Parts: sequence; C-alpha cells; structure tokens
Amino acid sequence: DVKVTQSSRYLVKRTGEKVFLECVQDMDHENMFWYRQDPGLGLRLIYFSYDVKMKEKGDIPEGYSVSREKKERFSLILESASTNQTSMYLCASSFLGRGSTDTQYFGPGTRLTVL
Amino acid sequence: SQQGEEDPQALSIQEGENATMNCSYKTSINNLQWYRQNSGRGLVHLILIRSNEREKHSGRLRVTLDTSKKSSSLLITASRAADTASYFCATDEAGTSYGKLTFGQGTILTVHP
Repeated sequence: DVKVTQSSRYLVKRTGEKVFLECVQDMDHENMFWYRQDPGLGLRLIYFSYDVKMKEKGDIPEGYSVSREKKERFSLILESASTNQTSMYLCASSFLGRGSTDTQYFGPGTRLTVL
Repeated sequence: SQQGEEDPQALSIQEGENATMNCSYKTSINNLQWYRQNSGRGLVHLILIRSNEREKHSGRLRVTLDTSKKSSSLLITASRAADTASYFCATDEAGTSYGKLTFGQGTILTVHP
C-alpha cells in the first residue's frame, strides 16, 4: 500500500515563527503536492513538485516556500507564520501519469494553529 | 480558482437509502476523480473516470460523466453509517501538466443508522 506520512498531526506555533511541515512518500512517486483545506473553501493547491529540486506555484503560494531535495520528501515552509495560515495542511503524491493525471495519495494532514 | 462545484453542500439520509452527489466543472478535462474524506483525515481516492467514458462502477459506487454538460455524479447505493464523510470531485484539466488536480468544495454526507 502507498504510504504518505506527515511529520505532525497537530502543531501550534506563534506568529512570526518559522514552521516546517514535512511529507514523506514511499512509492517512488514523481509528483508531490501541498494543499491547505479551510471550511467552505475546499482544497487549495499551495505548491507542487514533479521532480527533485523542481517546484511550481499553485493557486495560493504567497507566504509559503517548499523544498524537495530527495524524491521521497517534500517540505512546506512558512517563513514567518501568521494567524491567517491557521489551517489543515494536506500532502499528496502521485505518479507523473501519461497524458493525464494519476490518482493522488494523501497523508493524514497536519492541523496547524498559529497564535 | 475553483473548477468543480458540488451539489448539494450537505446531504442527510437514512441507512439503506441511495446518496447522489453532483459535480459541475468549467473547462475541458482529461479525467475526473472522486475522493472521500473522513472527519479530520486525509483524502482517499474512490474512482477515476476518463473523459471518453460515460459511466463507471466500483462496488456500491456508480459514477457518470457528461462532458457536454460538464458534469458528473456519484451515486452510493444502499448507504451505510460508515459512508458518513465528505466527498470531493477533482478534475484534471486538459492542457495542464504534471498531474495537477482541481478540487471542488465537497459534499458532506451524513448517513443515519
């Protein structure tokens, strides 16, 4: 079975702190994604990566950066956390796909609260 | 930008009844996928239907796709209390690359025992 793990289930940080969210997948997937999920807004794509050291902005990249130094690991970084970044963060991975998008496999999520 | 719009936003039914959720989208797609999310957890893939397919079944799930109307429906037959969850459609927009999906806002399904 595909396994996508996230470093924390719950995280509480203070405004201005630098926050690292880690995601690891064990299926040799090329693609990895970071979403945030807020009530009434569904899932919104923050960043994604289709290869090591490659990254693409999603719909809401402001205030976030990412790092992919190894194929299995994709990190989301909040350089200076703010209260409006309080949210559920979901990581996902998938194969690159041939001509169309493959199934995405999700981690359990990290609920981040910024005080 | 939101591609998939789901209807209804919430659905409450009794065990044994069928549940139907609808998804509309705006652009041409390669495929459309449905996911399920239990409260406070990650999403789990349910079924994928390609743009050249009209209907697909998986167990108690039936998905239809009408590309002329840019809409899809997910039918869960003989629902169970364990089906209580949020259900999301996600579209793979034609012309995009690298496996991006655009998710709808979801339908919250509650199945009462």
